Amino acid sequence: DTAVSQTPKYLVTQMGNDKSIKCEQNLGHDTMYWYKQDSKKFLKIMFSYNNKELIINETVPNRFSPKSPDKAHLNLHINSLELGDSAVYFCASYSWDTQYFGPGTRLTVL
Amino acid sequence: DAKTTQPPSMDCAEGRAANLPCNHSTISGNEYVYWYRQIHSQGPQYIIHGLKNNETNEMASLIITEDRKSSTLILPHATLRDTAVYYCIVRVGGGNNAGNMLTFGGGTRLMVKP
Repeated sequence: DTAVSQTPKYLVTQMGNDKSIKCEQNLGHDTMYWYKQDSKKFLKIMFSYNNKELIINETVPNRFSPKSPDKAHLNLHINSLELGDSAVYFCASYSWDTQYFGPGTRLTVL
Repeated sequence: DAKTTQPPSMDCAEGRAANLPCNHSTISGNEYVYWYRQIHSQGPQYIIHGLKNNETNEMASLIITEDRKSSTLILPHATLRDTAVYYCIVRVGGGNNAGNMLTFGGGTRLMVKP
């Protein structure tokens, strides 16, 4: 049983395209996050959602739009992709001091 | 959140204990010490956390100094599968607060060698 899953695992696309990454958790948690890990391997928080509502947006460009159709899902849509968006994106869910991370989506923008 | 300082890399022989240090000299009274690790090409994985008492679980032990300015994560019998980047993170803990996201530093790259 995969607690936090992401699709796709790999995403290769051209600059200017629009793409989405999906995240689902089956842990029943209310809180979910998106993190970005760049080429230097630093993990940075992007968004925090609680019960389908945006709680934190860490100054992410508005080309990035998270959407939470229900509390088990937090999808990330990216418009007008740029070269600098190439990274690994991790979804996580959170409950009582522990975060559970998905396997990551490696996005490559050409 | 308090900043942490970790050595960038360490080696450990398979079967021996791996002791990973972390300095957090500016830690506040309500901040916990959390440890996560990231095995290559995987998402980070929770290991353990504590406030001031030493903690132990099936994965590791966490030793926090009395003044709470530093801590050590101990993997008692390291295996090759423990090769990973280990992150020490300090932040306000407790409860189910949606704002409790993690701030990752550079971590320590632990290489377990046969």
